[in-house]
Amino acid sequence: DVKVTQSSRYLVKRTGEKVFLECVQDMDHENMFWYRQDPGLGLRLIYFSYDVKMKEKGDIPEGYSVSREKKERFSLILESASTNQTSMYLCASRSSGTGPGKTQYFGPGTRLLVL
Amino acid sequence: AQSVTQPDIHITVSEGASLELRCNYSYGATPYLFWYVQSPGQGLQLLLKYFSGDTLVQGIKGFEAEFKRSQSSFNLRKPSVHWSDAAEYFCAVGARGNTPLVFGKGTRLSVIA
Repeated sequence: DVKVTQSSRYLVKRTGEKVFLECVQDMDHENMFWYRQDPGLGLRLIYFSYDVKMKEKGDIPEGYSVSREKKERFSLILESASTNQTSMYLCASRSSGTGPGKTQYFGPGTRLLVL
Repeated sequence: AQSVTQPDIHITVSEGASLELRCNYSYGATPYLFWYVQSPGQGLQLLLKYFSGDTLVQGIKGFEAEFKRSQSSFNLRKPSVHWSDAAEYFCAVGARGNTPLVFGKGTRLSVIA
């Protein structure tokens, strides 16, 4: 079974802090994704990565950056946390193949509260 | 670019009743289509997926979905809902190539006794 883990389930930070959210997958997947989820807005793509050291902006990258130094790990960084970044953050991974390889597998999520 | 519409924000059904959740997509070619379920406070779990072939797809937990190209739809169905099915359901569409999935805004399902 594919396993995607996220470093924290719940996180409380102060405005202005630098925040790191870590995601690790154990299936040697090339592609990894960060989404944020807010009520009524569904899942919105922040950044994704096709492979190590590669990154692409998604729909809402402002205020965020990412790092992919190793294939299994994809980090989301909030450079200076703000209250409007309070949200549920979901990481996903998938292989780069076509067909069944397109399935994205999700981690359990990190609920971040910025005070 | 592809897009997904889930017209129903919230649906309430009685336990034992049948269920249909609607999903309409926009994409110029044959898409990859997915349904995910999210229990409160959890990540998304894959229910089923369509890539090609038989347009009626069976998934986990007794769910099925039917791909209708003429209607650009991929509706999710279950003949008899259980209280444990209460959750949020997301439809997603993927294009050929290496682009991320695009998700609908979700439908929240409540189950009453």
